[in-house]
This record gives sequence, C-alpha cells and structure tokens, in this order.
Amino acid sequence: GQQVMQIPQYQHVQEGEDFTTYCNSSTTLSNIQWYKQRPGGHPVFLIQLVKSGEVKKQKRLTFQFGEAKKNSSLHITATQTTDVGTYFCAGPSSGGSQGNLIFGKGTKLSVKP
Amino acid sequence: AAGVIQSPRHLIKEKRETATLKCYPIPRHDTVYWYQQGPGQDPQFLISFYEKMQSDKGSIPDRFSAQQFSDYHSELNMSSLELGDSALYFCASSSRDISYEQYFGPGTRLTVT
Repeated sequence: GQQVMQIPQYQHVQEGEDFTTYCNSSTTLSNIQWYKQRPGGHPVFLIQLVKSGEVKKQKRLTFQFGEAKKNSSLHITATQTTDVGTYFCAGPSSGGSQGNLIFGKGTKLSVKP
Repeated sequence: AAGVIQSPRHLIKEKRETATLKCYPIPRHDTVYWYQQGPGQDPQFLISFYEKMQSDKGSIPDRFSAQQFSDYHSELNMSSLELGDSALYFCASSSRDISYEQYFGPGTRLTVT
C-alpha cells in the first residue's frame, strides 16, 4: 500500500544548529503538506507544496518538493527552543477521497538551549 | 478566527463501556476527518465526511461508528472499549476552497481502564 516515510525519527540539536527532515513517498504526490505538533498539542498546518521542484520559505523554515514529486524536505536554520516538536509530512491518499492524507511517522526535534 | 472544537477534552472509561466524542468543525468547512494518535505515533486516519456523507474509511474498528449531523458537527461513537483504544482522538476540518489544508482540534484524550 501507499507509504509516506520520514527520516530521521528523532533529532537532537544544540540551539543555533540547523535541522533537516526528509520525507519520501512510495507514489507520486499531487501535493505535500507539512504539520508541526508541539508536545501535548495538536498538529498545526505549516505549508502545502504543489509544484515540482517548488521551494517555499517561512522565516527560518525552508520547504522543498522534489522534481519527481515523491520527496520533500523541511530545513530549519538556526534552531530555537520554540522549534521543539514533531514535524509530520503528509500526502494525499491515492485510494481515498479528495483531501484524505497519509501521514509520515514524523521527526521529533529536541533543541538544547 | 474560529477553530475546530472538540469535547470532551479528557475522558476516562472502563473496559466494555461506550464513549461519544464530539467535533465542531470550522464554519463553512465541508470535510471532517477523525484521527487516532497513540503515544509517539503519527495520526492514524479513521474516517471522513464530506458534506455530511461518509467519504472515506481508514483503520476504524467495527466497534466504532461516526456520523455528521445537519449542523455539520460530527460524533465518533466507540463501543466495547478496550485498553488499546486509549489514545488521543483528533478531529480536523478542511475545505476545497483552501486546498484541503487540515485544521486540527485540540483532541480528546481517552483513557480506558
């Protein structure tokens, strides 16, 4: 079945270091979405990428969608303690209705001050 | 801005009891999703509704059922509860007008003892 894989599962960084999480899909995606879940919180939508090779930036966060639309990455420059949380990528379910998502397992980021 | 509302926020039940979780989506969102999230896990899709009609089913046990009402709120009914049903249950809503970005509620933490 369709799978969305994320690596690494955990990442521990010193405040100020950079962080990257990678997402790979077993199928070509029409779009990919990224969510952040703080400890004890709920997933919060960050961004959606639609175009092949698309790059979007949100302050210190840079999101990329691969040329083949099967992989994506999220890069955080100069991490801060407020970046702590689990970052999930999610792609549309190929066999499901419009809007249904398959989530990756997430990358849990911890930042040491 | 209005967010997704879920109630109750916490629920403690005993094995074999029933539970009902409620979700009030963001106004004018046409799709509601239910997810189950175990500790350290990614959100697992259970079921979704589009314009009050069930649109897709995921890994929802037969003991669970859900519906969406005329006022667009949704309820997840869980019967014959098992210890393994202890988890966070999220409701999310979206709309094709916003490219199906999903907005999650704060979740209901269900503990089965």
